[in-house]
Amino acid sequence: DVKVTQSSRYLVKRTGEKVFLECVQDMDHENMFWYRQDPGLGLRLIYFSYDVKMKEKGDIPEGYSVSREKKERFSLILESASTNQTSMYLCASRQTGLFQPQHFGDGTRLSIL
Amino acid sequence: AQKVTQAQTEISVVEKEDVTLDCVYETRDTTYYLFWYKQPPSGELVFLIRRNSFDEQNEISGRYSWNFQKSTSSFNFTITASQVVDSAVYFCALRTIIQGAQKLVFGQGTRLTINP
Repeated sequence: DVKVTQSSRYLVKRTGEKVFLECVQDMDHENMFWYRQDPGLGLRLIYFSYDVKMKEKGDIPEGYSVSREKKERFSLILESASTNQTSMYLCASRQTGLFQPQHFGDGTRLSIL
Repeated sequence: AQKVTQAQTEISVVEKEDVTLDCVYETRDTTYYLFWYKQPPSGELVFLIRRNSFDEQNEISGRYSWNFQKSTSSFNFTITASQVVDSAVYFCALRTIIQGAQKLVFGQGTRLTINP
């Protein structure tokens, strides 16, 4: 079974802090993704990566950056957290191949006070 | 534009009833892929099934079945003899070549509550 592990289930930070959300997958998948999920807005793609050190913007990249130094790890960074970044963050990974599904982690519920 | 519509925001049924979750998609691409995911209260999205646009064969897996109809651009999901453990938010998703093969477009989700 694919295992995608997010470092925290719940996280509380303060406005202006730099926040790191970590995601690790154990299936040697090339592709990794960060989404945020908000009521009424569904899942929105923030950034994705199709290889080590490669990244591409998703639909809502503003206020975020990412890092992929190793294949198994994909980090989401909030450079200066703001209250409107309070959300559920979901990491996913998948093998290359159009028919391959994405596999998700448990999610991190982030609150910015 | 690529779009997935799950018109049913919330559904509530009594245990053992059958329930169908609707999914309608829009795409101009002739090659595309459809997926269903389940999100239980714990938060993790669990992959349930995938279909490519060339395979209209319906599928049954235990109490779950999926009806893919290209003529109506629909990929509906039916749970037979529902159980309380089926309570979750269910998402339908679309991947196409046109928009970049990496991206999944999700519907808004349907919150299904099964009451004992």
